Amino acid sequence: EAQVTQNPRYLITVTGKKLTVTCSQNMNHEYMSWYRQDPGLGLRQIYYSMNVEVTDKGDVPEGYKVSRKEKRNFPLILESPSPNQTSLYFCASSFWGQETQYFGPGTRLLVL
Amino acid sequence: GEDVEQSLFLSVREGDSSVINCTYTDSSSTYLYWYKQEPGAGLQLLTYIFSNMDMKQDQRLTVLLNKKDKHLSLRIADTQTGDSAIYFCAENGSGNTGKLIFGQGTTLQVKP
Repeated sequence: EAQVTQNPRYLITVTGKKLTVTCSQNMNHEYMSWYRQDPGLGLRQIYYSMNVEVTDKGDVPEGYKVSRKEKRNFPLILESPSPNQTSLYFCASSFWGQETQYFGPGTRLLVL
Repeated sequence: GEDVEQSLFLSVREGDSSVINCTYTDSSSTYLYWYKQEPGAGLQLLTYIFSNMDMKQDQRLTVLLNKKDKHLSLRIADTQTGDSAIYFCAENGSGNTGKLIFGQGTTLQVKP
């Protein structure tokens, strides 16, 4: 089944404790990206990647890192999480230029 | 800049039609999308429309695009309780980044 998976789905952590949210897709998509969803703000792009080893900042990259060492995986790294990073995070992927992006199920993060 | 605006809440009775409205600012958008998010779930692509189209119909869903006014609407005919969700309007941003620009989301409440 074609899908985007994210792990974990739910995470509670404390300020400053490094964490990684994984994203994996099995559709051989070149393009992958991360969004965060906050009430009243919709979804905002954090980082995106057009292919392996090619990443760039989205609209709200502060406090986040990403890597793209393999085509299927695009982890989101929070080196020192803070409470303002409490949010719902979505990973998405597509073939470059394709009109449809596929979203993962979301990761709900609470930073205390 | 790029911006997408939606009203935050809509309440209808089961069996009525729902109309969710959206305005956007980027006239260079190629595609405009409607996503659905059910409680606790991820994003589901409902439908999308190419910018040179005025209307698209898919079963109970009708999308109308007024490019002159930069206005997009989603009409759901015979609204059911299972349609209760948050609906996001989105456009593909300019700048060749693959980014989707999302509205804040409209919560649709369907009363029995």
